[in-house]
Amino acid sequence: SQQGEEDPQALSIQEGENATMNCSYKTSINNLQWYRQNSGRGLVHLILIRSNEREKHSGRLRVTLDTSKKSSSLLITASRAADTASYFCATARIQGAQKLVFGQGTRLTINP
Amino acid sequence: GAGVSQSPSNKVTEKGKDVELRCDPISGHTALYWYRQSLGQGLEFLIYFQGNSAPDKSGLPSDRFSAERTGGSVSTLTIQRTQQEDSAVYLCASSLSIWGEGYTFGSGTRLTVV
Repeated sequence: SQQGEEDPQALSIQEGENATMNCSYKTSINNLQWYRQNSGRGLVHLILIRSNEREKHSGRLRVTLDTSKKSSSLLITASRAADTASYFCATARIQGAQKLVFGQGTRLTINP
Repeated sequence: GAGVSQSPSNKVTEKGKDVELRCDPISGHTALYWYRQSLGQGLEFLIYFQGNSAPDKSGLPSDRFSAERTGGSVSTLTIQRTQQEDSAVYLCASSLSIWGEGYTFGSGTRLTVV
């Protein structure tokens, strides 16, 4: 069954604005990760947040994790045209097979 | 190598033919994963390897799909008697261990079955 679900499915904003994407999951996790995918090919790892962390920053990226609500958000500040891509959250479960389970992704479009 | 290498990058095959997809992970990465992504969809887990062993094959869609990994390095995903619904991008990723670290993905193989 699908572990992560992103919201919204698609987001279109103007360059310079902030973009927020959300991810919900169902089971207890070891960590949650965000990836970016350009042009439907390889994914690039952006950031990893562990279950005992609540917030993490990397450049213009800010990730939050609320384990009580089983949700995470990815904020991209001061968006650029190059940020146009699909963004996926992925969860690593505490128990069971050690593989990342990916959501369906959010398609982000930054308009110049 | 510096990154995860997949070959071929594109493959067009006739329905009923067998295909082999190759993944060359980052040197030293013990964990290797195969995912499938249909157009506009998320990633569907297929199989992962720890070393040469495959502890979890639960994602393989049917017995037409198989995979192996030799020498703790290169992996091959084989699809026998391909069907049109097998058309997708097949993505390989590797990581240092299976314990939830970040993955490095290859660029994928786009498989089209006609």
